[in-house]
Amino acid sequence: GAGVSQSPSNKVTEKGKDVELRCDPISGHTALYWYRQRLGQGLEFLIYFQGNSAPDKSGLPSDRFSAERTGESVSTLTIQRTQQEDSAVYLCASSPGLAVYEQYFGPGTRLTVT
Amino acid sequence: AQKITQTQPGMFVQEKEAVTLDCTYDTSDPSYGLFWYKQPSSGEMIFLIYQGSYDQQNATEGRYSLNFQKARKSANLVISASQLGDSAMYFCAMREGRTGGFKTIFGAGTRLFVKA
Repeated sequence: GAGVSQSPSNKVTEKGKDVELRCDPISGHTALYWYRQRLGQGLEFLIYFQGNSAPDKSGLPSDRFSAERTGESVSTLTIQRTQQEDSAVYLCASSPGLAVYEQYFGPGTRLTVT
Repeated sequence: AQKITQTQPGMFVQEKEAVTLDCTYDTSDPSYGLFWYKQPSSGEMIFLIYQGSYDQQNATEGRYSLNFQKARKSANLVISASQLGDSAMYFCAMREGRTGGFKTIFGAGTRLFVKA
């Protein structure tokens, strides 16, 4: 079956531009997570969605970052007025539910801000 | 304060030998879960093993076992009979059951090199 997909796989943008990253979770997975991974570092939690509950946005680093999810399907992570420190791989993961511990990760979007 | 600490930035192991990757954690929540993920050079994140805070026995999954020492707040990953394909980054992670909602906190990782 299809896994978690993310697009684009690579994105190069100029400082100050807005970018939108997309995540398609595994069908039927109600929980969706976004993480940021800077070069050579671990994963940094950004946000998670669970069904129709209010998302946990506690990991978003600034108000330039926002995320939306349509029901239990696609999610988009938007970064406004990008800065060079936003350069990282953005990983999306989904899970059948929050009570299920295993997260299935997508391949990530590598964002480079020049 | 660091919630997950992996003190070994890099580890070497001879093929077919066992290796232990260290992980310590910090939480005051009695309900939590501990995870290990593998990240090969391709970048994908692969779930390896899970240990719940109330589990009485150490988790095992094939060649992977988790040495859970609750009083010491450690959750070391043991890989037995290392293979060349085990060369990768390994991340320890924790999810706190109550106070942390369901977000998962990852450590900085340990890079494992398996030598032929």
